[in-house]
Amino acid sequence: SQKIEQNSEALNIQEGKTATLTCNYTNYSPAYLQWYRQDPGRGPVFLLLIRENEKEKRKERLKVTFDTTLKQSLFHITASQPADSATYLCALDPNTGFQKLVFGTGTRLLVSP
Amino acid sequence: NAGVMQNPRHLVRRRGQEARLRCSPMKGHSHVYWYRQLPEEGLKFMVYLQKENIIDESGMPKERFSAEFPKEGPSILRIQQVVRGDSAAYFCASSPLSSGSYNEQFFGPGTRLTVL
Repeated sequence: SQKIEQNSEALNIQEGKTATLTCNYTNYSPAYLQWYRQDPGRGPVFLLLIRENEKEKRKERLKVTFDTTLKQSLFHITASQPADSATYLCALDPNTGFQKLVFGTGTRLLVSP
Repeated sequence: NAGVMQNPRHLVRRRGQEARLRCSPMKGHSHVYWYRQLPEEGLKFMVYLQKENIIDESGMPKERFSAEFPKEGPSILRIQQVVRGDSAAYFCASSPLSSGSYNEQFFGPGTRLTVL
């Protein structure tokens, strides 16, 4: 069956450290993968998109990798800050051509001062 | 440029009533997606619409649920005869006209439906 999985346990790290979140998928061949941030009571906010032919993408303190052999994406936040505390969602397009997204359940990140 | 707008933000209905959720996409966006988020679960795709057309409704229950995106006005997600299991947050997202490249989706703040 098709699955997209993120670690359901919250990730607790100290301010200044690098947070690494994992997204694994099974039985999909996505053309791209996206990462979103969601704060409590709000809608997801787009962060980064990485295509299947890209190994790595960066944006300020954010870095995403995409390994189509391992069927995995890693999301890194360097020099983390308490304001980075949120739930991070990975999402992929199952190649239907319609750009509908399949989301993971998200990983909650808690950055303590 | 206002973002995606959804209303109401909170909606309470009794079992058997109808729920009507509205979504105004960002200006210039012609693609609208509806997702549902149950507590402790991920966002689940429901339906994808363009103006006056339902493109993909594969995630929407066959009964009681319908969606439209008229030529004028917001997109509407309608749930008839609501049941307790319909209680969830419903998010609308929009994206610009596809030019063959992949687009991020812009999400609204969601409508939280509670069925008593």
